[in-house]
Formats: sequence, structure tokens, C-alpha cells
Amino acid sequence: RKEVEQDPGPFNVPEGATVAFNCTYSNSASQSFFWYRQDCRKEPKLLMSVYSSGNEDGRFTAQLNRASQYISLLIRDSKLSDSATYLCVVNVRAGNQFYFGTGTSLTVIP
Amino acid sequence: ETGVTQTPRHLVMGMTNKKSLKCEQHLGHNAMYWYKQSAKKPLELMFVYNFKEQTENNSVPSRFSPECPNSSHLFLHLHTLQPEDSALYLCASSQDRRQGGETQYFGPGTRLLVL
Repeated sequence: RKEVEQDPGPFNVPEGATVAFNCTYSNSASQSFFWYRQDCRKEPKLLMSVYSSGNEDGRFTAQLNRASQYISLLIRDSKLSDSATYLCVVNVRAGNQFYFGTGTSLTVIP
Repeated sequence: ETGVTQTPRHLVMGMTNKKSLKCEQHLGHNAMYWYKQSAKKPLELMFVYNFKEQTENNSVPSRFSPECPNSSHLFLHLHTLQPEDSALYLCASSQDRRQGGETQYFGPGTRLLVL
């Protein structure tokens, strides 16, 4: 079983739409959670950390459900510039490993 | 952004060549990482250095040899690679890996093609 699983998509949405991505993780000892964004042929960049209480940064909202071991990312009012691959990242404290999902591809269409 | 730099950005090499990838971070971090990113696969952690000491080696073949002379520099020496080693090699750094969970900052990567 993969440590982190994401729906690879692609998600094609019109501008202004709301889109949600989910990610599941297998290790219940996972401690920290992140969403990274990776543009085509570029390096991953941190979008936001995910906290137990949920957190919001502008149009982006991240949620963590420890009981069900999943993380979500909600993007409201999608912009063309949101087109990218979104990577779910989980940090397991034991061994201090970072596990990456394969990424979810988003294309926002004019 | 020049927090983490990598050279070269692109590399084509034959299976008998020896080459080295270089990574430098200007963030004052103490931990550095090498990742491999292949198409349709998640990033794979290869090596971790914390305060210049290698703390993890994720069963990476010996044809990949890391070197960390100081906390700011990380090298990946390549020798007799295989075509399946073609991938994007990403370097990352973070403040102090012993604390766990801190943010990693990535370099732009070296896109490697092995012929």
C-alpha cells in the first residue's frame, strides 16, 4: 500500500469554480502534513501546511481528518494561475520521513 | 528566488560517464536532501544529511554517491548509470531535520537523461 495516495486527475475546471482535492495516508503515526504546488518543469513549492484545526489562506483551505487519515485542499474562485500539480506531503516522525503523493493535476480553463 | 540552487539544470550522459550534480543552499539550513522524481511517480527520497552527517540512505544503488562537505553544499556523484535513472533530481533543504515536520525548500532540479 502506498504511503500517500492522491487522485492524479486531471481536473479541468472553469475559472471561478471551486475544486477540492483529497489525499489519504496510511501511517497513523504521521505527524505533519503539507500541500505543495509544482508547476510544469519546476520544483515543488510549499503552498500551505495543514493543521488539525484546519487552516485557510485566501482562496485556499486545508483540512485534516486524523480519524479517517485524509487531507483535503479546497480552492475557491479558481484562477488561471492556479493551474499546476498539487502534491500532498506527509511527515512521519519515526524515522522522520517525508512521503509525497504522485500529485493531482489541475487545469483552470478560461 | 535563489534560496536553493542546483547545477547543471540539464544533463545528458552515457552509461559509462561520471558526472556530479551540485546543490547549494543560501538559507542557513542544517539539513539537505536528494530526491528523485520520475514521470507518474511520487518524489522518492534518496539521501538525507543533517549537520553534514548522512542520516538516511533509502536503499539507493551505489552508482549514486552523495557528498556533503558542509551544511550549505551537497553533491550527487553519478557513475555507470542506467537509462531508468533518467529523471528530475531535486535537492531540498530545511532548518533542522531532528525537529521533524519543518518546511522543505526545493532547488530547481537537474533534469538527467541517461543514454
